[in-house]
Amino acid sequence: AQKVTQAQTEISVVEKEDVTLDCVYETRDTTYYLFWYKQPPSGELVFLIRRNSFDEQNEISGRYSWNFQKSTSSFNFTITASQVVDSAVYFCALSEISNSGYALNFGKGTSLLVTP
Amino acid sequence: DGGITQSPKYLFRKEGQNVTLSCEQNLNHDAMYWYRQDPGQGLRLIYYSQIVNDFQKGDIAEGYSVSREKKESFPLTVTSAQKNPTAFYLCASSMVGAGSGNTIYFGEGSWLTVV
Repeated sequence: AQKVTQAQTEISVVEKEDVTLDCVYETRDTTYYLFWYKQPPSGELVFLIRRNSFDEQNEISGRYSWNFQKSTSSFNFTITASQVVDSAVYFCALSEISNSGYALNFGKGTSLLVTP
Repeated sequence: DGGITQSPKYLFRKEGQNVTLSCEQNLNHDAMYWYRQDPGQGLRLIYYSQIVNDFQKGDIAEGYSVSREKKESFPLTVTSAQKNPTAFYLCASSMVGAGSGNTIYFGEGSWLTVV
């Protein structure tokens, strides 16, 4: 069963629009970690954020913000005033002690295209 | 510079051949991982190692083998038993395990194509 679901396969927006990438996860652990990574065309995965299950505070970093809601098992990612350089595939991932020594369990990714 | 180095970036394999992908890290990380990425499939865990001389199978270990003789190195061998090896392979590392609060960092990846 898919533990991390990113329902949006592809999103296309025009520069300066706001865009939200959805992530829904499934776990029975009380302690777990959620991540977002960015994968530009070069292929390398770039770490964006890590959040533990006990910290539901939303976080903002520049144009990026994250909304973690345990009640709905969601960890959504919003890019404000999108730019062409934001075009990439974005992955949400879950880390649990009960799964492969904390190895990341990834969603299938959301491909974001920002056009001028 | 500190980081994770994967080589080669591009590799072509003939059917029936074994190939080895190199992964070296100088971050002093304890844990290392290998992931495979296929279009539309996300990343899937092949093998992971949390300490030298120990490693565990991930979700799709069949047709692959690894070794962890040194803390810095975690090579992946794609054997002839792997029926569909064409993919993008990503190596990663972290301090002990992501669950301890440490982030998993990735190398730049290796493209393997069977010809």
